[in-house]
Amino acid sequence: GAVVSQHPSRVICKSGTSVKIECRSLDFQATTMFWYRQFPKQSLMLMATSNEGSKATYEQGVEKDKFLINHASLTLSTLTVTSAHPEDSSFYICSANAPTDTQYFGPGTRLTVL
Amino acid sequence: GNSVTQMEGPVTLSEEAFLTINCTYTATGYPSLFWYVQYPGEGLQLLLKATKADDKGSNKGFEATYRKETTSFHLEKGSVQVSDSAVYFCALRNTGANSKLTFGKGITLSVRP
Repeated sequence: GAVVSQHPSRVICKSGTSVKIECRSLDFQATTMFWYRQFPKQSLMLMATSNEGSKATYEQGVEKDKFLINHASLTLSTLTVTSAHPEDSSFYICSANAPTDTQYFGPGTRLTVL
Repeated sequence: GNSVTQMEGPVTLSEEAFLTINCTYTATGYPSLFWYVQYPGEGLQLLLKATKADDKGSNKGFEATYRKETTSFHLEKGSVQVSDSAVYFCALRNTGANSKLTFGKGITLSVRP
């Protein structure tokens, strides 16, 4: 099946620093990717829709200046958590729409902010 | 708006038991329906899907039938294994390119040897 990768899988950073997470579709082109956040034992919360070549669409309540999304190519979207704080610690998951109109998910990135 | 309701969990079963996880939905139009599985510490994997009424999705012994009349997409497996222990999410998506997925809350399944 289609493969979506994320890098890094785990990251620990100090409060106030910025962290970039990459999401790549490895064997298909994706004009649209999605970024989710998942809290322990909870469902996925959609943060934003990343559109290749245009600005991301953020869900209500998600700070666009804090969570910067760039979709520079048809196979890469990045999420940058700026000035991270401990409350930003979470599991971040991306997904990409394949031409088959099925969404495939990355393995997730565990962010821990000290 | 769209919504997905899953039965409350967690669910604990013995190996080889029969599994049913209920899922009902509310949506406009004719959505596609999905079951995703999440193993500990990992992202979500597509388990199966159905795109129209009466379609049956199946994979790895799991199956679910798209029931428009009852707006349901219940997941079943005849004989669960310890390796099936995971979190299961029901989801829907309206037709149209790049539509968003709407997820249920997820349910944790634990299978005992």
